[in-house]
Amino acid sequence: LAKTTQPISMDSYEGQEVNITCSHNNIATNDYITWYQQFPSQGPRFIIQGYKTKVTNEVASLFIPADRKSSTLSLPRVSLSDTAVYYCLVSDSNYQLIWGAGTKLIIKP
Amino acid sequence: DGGITQSPKYLFRKEGQNVTLSCEQNLNHDAMYWYRQDPGQGLRLIYYSQIVNDFQKGDIAEGYSVSREKKESFPLTVTSAQKNPTAFYLCASSAGAGNSPLHFGNGTRLTVT
Repeated sequence: LAKTTQPISMDSYEGQEVNITCSHNNIATNDYITWYQQFPSQGPRFIIQGYKTKVTNEVASLFIPADRKSSTLSLPRVSLSDTAVYYCLVSDSNYQLIWGAGTKLIIKP
Repeated sequence: DGGITQSPKYLFRKEGQNVTLSCEQNLNHDAMYWYRQDPGQGLRLIYYSQIVNDFQKGDIAEGYSVSREKKESFPLTVTSAQKNPTAFYLCASSAGAGNSPLHFGNGTRLTVT
């Protein structure tokens, strides 16, 4: 099973682009990578999901290199409201779900 | 609005009592999950259910029990056998296979004294 590793915390400033990388060296062929955002005392919220290359939606981009052993969540022009914990999840169709420990992102004015 | 409802938001119990946490979804999702989150920690899977009348143990199932009699409902019982029950409990659902995105409720914070 893939193990996921993320930085424990990161700081950035309003208006900057923030990139959070997750390592998943043992990712399997059928695994997908999903990122979630969690605010205190709330459930995690889906941000983006990908399998390979690049995926972009209205809030973020997800970059996955060809070997798929890592993935990078990119948040463009962050604001104070992006301060949260971000989780990387590697999962397959057989309900094997491997969560990262989460990255606490603090955005400063 | 479709979503997942967990109730109550806060729950207090005395040690030695069983307590049941409610989770209801109107997303028509087949799969449902229960996670435990301790302060400053990540998510740990307690139980999951792929379909009605079927469920599987997760990584920390000891001291917990579940049922899945209806597609919409997946209640979690925290029994007196759970050594450290005080935690934040999160219920989630997904449309199908394990790589489908999860939709979470807003959690129940259980305090046992």
